[in-house]
This record gives sequence, structure tokens and C-alpha cells, in this order.
Amino acid sequence: GAGVSQSPRYKVAKRGQDVALRCDPISGHVSLFWYQQALGQGPEFLTYFQNEAQLDKSGLPSDRFFAERPEGSVSTLKIQRTQQEDSAVYLCASSSGQGGSYGYTFGSGTRLTVV
Amino acid sequence: AQSVAQPEDQVNVAEGNPLTVKCTYSVSGNPYLFWYVQYPNRGLQFLLKYITGDNLVKGSYGFEAEFNKSQTSFHLKKPSALVSDSALYFCAVRDMGGSARQLTFGSGTQLTVLP
Repeated sequence: GAGVSQSPRYKVAKRGQDVALRCDPISGHVSLFWYQQALGQGPEFLTYFQNEAQLDKSGLPSDRFFAERPEGSVSTLKIQRTQQEDSAVYLCASSSGQGGSYGYTFGSGTRLTVV
Repeated sequence: AQSVAQPEDQVNVAEGNPLTVKCTYSVSGNPYLFWYVQYPNRGLQFLLKYITGDNLVKGSYGFEAEFNKSQTSFHLKKPSALVSDSALYFCAVRDMGGSARQLTFGSGTQLTVLP
């Protein structure tokens, strides 16, 4: 597609519920990144994929967070047993190379509210 | 490690006046530097980037930024501010020689242009 698409746009989850957030990167982009943005803060890195390989998951805050990109295109970020502190905007970005000089294109994000 | 500092949470400027949003960075090697803008309930929109070459980088919507290696700074500038420039601005860095592929963001600067 023309841009990075994320769905749903908004998600309200009850505490303890599992959620799945989807990212459709730009077609052909090999790199995909997930970020978490708390209200009024800068985005914080969660995880990085190169094609289907998850090369860096150092930013995932707990083992309740899990990401996958099984065919090297669409990615899903899953949060199990959601907690109130998980409330944030989750941003996805893709890059035609390994980031850097290739640049990064961001989606509009999914706003997760845990009640 | 790579990091970014945006020392001003808020910048106010009158319409038609020049604006500056400050950014300093820290990397082990040479940096890739980016500026993004975020409007309410929207994702990050790319403004400009510095990869190599000319220290003065021109970007979208009349914005420019100057890379200063000795001061490790990459301040965003615009000669004449518009009310529509009011938004949240983020500076981001990636170390060219580092193992990380993701961008690291600053905490953001809220720009308000007063009519």
C-alpha cells in the first residue's frame, strides 16, 4: 500500500483481557518496528523485525508482550492479560532497508485504553 | 548507546516570526538524525533527515535543520512560523555504527504559534 496501515485505530480492553494489534507495512519493506508512546511522551522502541526474523526484542516491557511477522509482511503485536499501564499509543514503522539512511515511515497508531 | 535530548517541553512563537526547536544527541559513532511532527491523534509525519553531506538540511513545509557535530546538535528551524505549524515535534537519532536499527526519540517539544 501507499503507507503503513494499523488496525484497529482505537481499542478499549478490560484489565486482564488479551489484545492483538495489526500492522500492514509498505509493500516490500523488509524492516518493521514497533513503538509504544505514552501520553505526552516520545515513542519508546519495543521490537524490530527484518523480514520474518525478530532480530531485537529488547524493548518489550514484559513477557506479556509478544510480536510476530510470520511471512515477512504483516505483523501483529499481542499483549496478554492487559494492565492499566499498557494504555498507550502503539506505533508501527517500516523501512525499505535496515532503517538509517533508508528512512522510517510510521503508521497512525493504535490507541489502547485499558479500563 | 544512542540518546536524544529536547530541552524545551514547550515553545511559543508569534505567527510570522522565526522559530527554533532545539535537539542535542549522543551516539558512539556518526549519527543519522531525523525530525518528525505529530498532530493530535495522528502518527508521526517525517519532516527531514540528516545522513551525510551538507550540514544544512531542508525539508517539508519550509522547515530546515542544521547539523552541528562539535555541539552534537540538530536544531529545527523555520524562517516564518504559521499557526498551522502548531504541533508536537520529535527529534530522533540512530547511531550509524551501532548494532541498533531503530530510532531513539526525544521527549518532544510542543510548538504553539500564536496568531
